[in-house]
Amino acid sequence: EAQVTQNPRYLITVTGKKLTVTCSQNMNHEYMSWYRQDPGLGLRQIYYSMNVEVTDKGDVPEGYKVSRKEKRNFPLILESPSPNQTSLYFCASGKGQGYNEQFFGPGTRLTVL
Amino acid sequence: GIQVEQSPPDLILQEGANSTLRCNFSDSVNNLQWFHQNPWGQLINLFYIPSGTKQNGRLSATTVATERYSLLYISSSQTTDSGVYFCAVLDDYKLSFGAGTTVTVRA
Repeated sequence: EAQVTQNPRYLITVTGKKLTVTCSQNMNHEYMSWYRQDPGLGLRQIYYSMNVEVTDKGDVPEGYKVSRKEKRNFPLILESPSPNQTSLYFCASGKGQGYNEQFFGPGTRLTVL
Repeated sequence: GIQVEQSPPDLILQEGANSTLRCNFSDSVNNLQWFHQNPWGQLINLFYIPSGTKQNGRLSATTVATERYSLLYISSSQTTDSGVYFCAVLDDYKLSFGAGTTVTVRA
């Protein structure tokens, strides 16, 4: 089944404890992206990647890192999480440079205490 | 960036009713998608529709790119249609989302 998977789906952690949210797609898509969703602020892009080893900042990249070493994987790294990073996170992928249909993972609910 | 406005913000329907959701955008777009966010928070793809009309079961969508709007039609609504409906357009390598329409279908 064609899909985007994220892990973990739920995470409660403490300030400053490094964490990684994994994202994987099995559709051979070049484009991948991370978004966060917050009440009143909607969905905002964190980082995106056009292909392996090509990443760029979105609208809200502060406090996050990404890497794209393999085409299928695009992990989101929070090196020192803070409470303002409590959010619902989505990974997305699409063919080409994002001009085609994009598909979203199931979401990761992160709480930073 | 491209502004995306959705209306109405909230919609309450009786089961079996029909409805129309609207999405206006401020500039020409190459990619327009409709999503349904279910009560569990998942974003479900409904339509990829930069222009034209598509139908999928009880749902259909129309995008008039030259007039910068898209419409999502829900017919014979069911309680499982409840949730938030988002329109999103591609804007400089990201999807810009509207604020959504919250649909509540009552049995």
